[in-house]
Amino acid sequence: TQLLEQSPQFLSIQEGENLTVYCNSSSVFSSLQWYRQEPGEGPVLLVTVVTGGEVKKLKRLTFQFGDARKDSSLHITAAQPGDTGLYLCAGGSWSGGSNYKLTFGKGTLLTVNP
Amino acid sequence: DAGVIQSPRHEVTEMGQEVTLRCKLISGHNSLFWYRQTMMRGLELLIYFNNNVPIDDSGMPEDRFSAKMPNASFSTLKIQPSEPRDSAVYFCASSPGTLLQYFGPGTRLTVT
Repeated sequence: TQLLEQSPQFLSIQEGENLTVYCNSSSVFSSLQWYRQEPGEGPVLLVTVVTGGEVKKLKRLTFQFGDARKDSSLHITAAQPGDTGLYLCAGGSWSGGSNYKLTFGKGTLLTVNP
Repeated sequence: DAGVIQSPRHEVTEMGQEVTLRCKLISGHNSLFWYRQTMMRGLELLIYFNNNVPIDDSGMPEDRFSAKMPNASFSTLKIQPSEPRDSAVYFCASSPGTLLQYFGPGTRLTVT
């Protein structure tokens, strides 16, 4: 069974601070995705990384996929209250050649206080 | 364009009752995933379909749970009989068969 551990589980910071959340596994994944989920809604995809060592930037968010494709990090610069939400990482794997499924971590609940 | 549609958004039922959750895929998508989310266990994959065929149902908790895809755009997840431990938010996600999954707004199920 593939497992993804996210840390920290909860994070409460002030507006303007920087933060990093982590996603670790003992398994290798074909890809790693990050989602943000707001209360009462489904997760929304932020980014997909597929190459070991890959770094992607999305405005103030920086995503990195570990060289061995077992871990990932999300760094937010100058956090804003609008960044508040549950951040989920999901490891992707192919089965049966053409079927792709995701294994999710339990998430990091981020609160950015004004 | 309409996203994934789930109904009902909230369901409260008594233990032992049958519950049916519904999901309409995004037009043109061919893969459908059912997930369950709880505080304790996070987001868990229950079952997924590709081109209306169930591919992996290893996440279905037990025989009380069943899922169907009667046509290319619609799926149901049924729990019979329901138990309090089934209380959770159930999501379906639609995919065009790539790495992308688009989640619906979820159904919050409470079994008393």
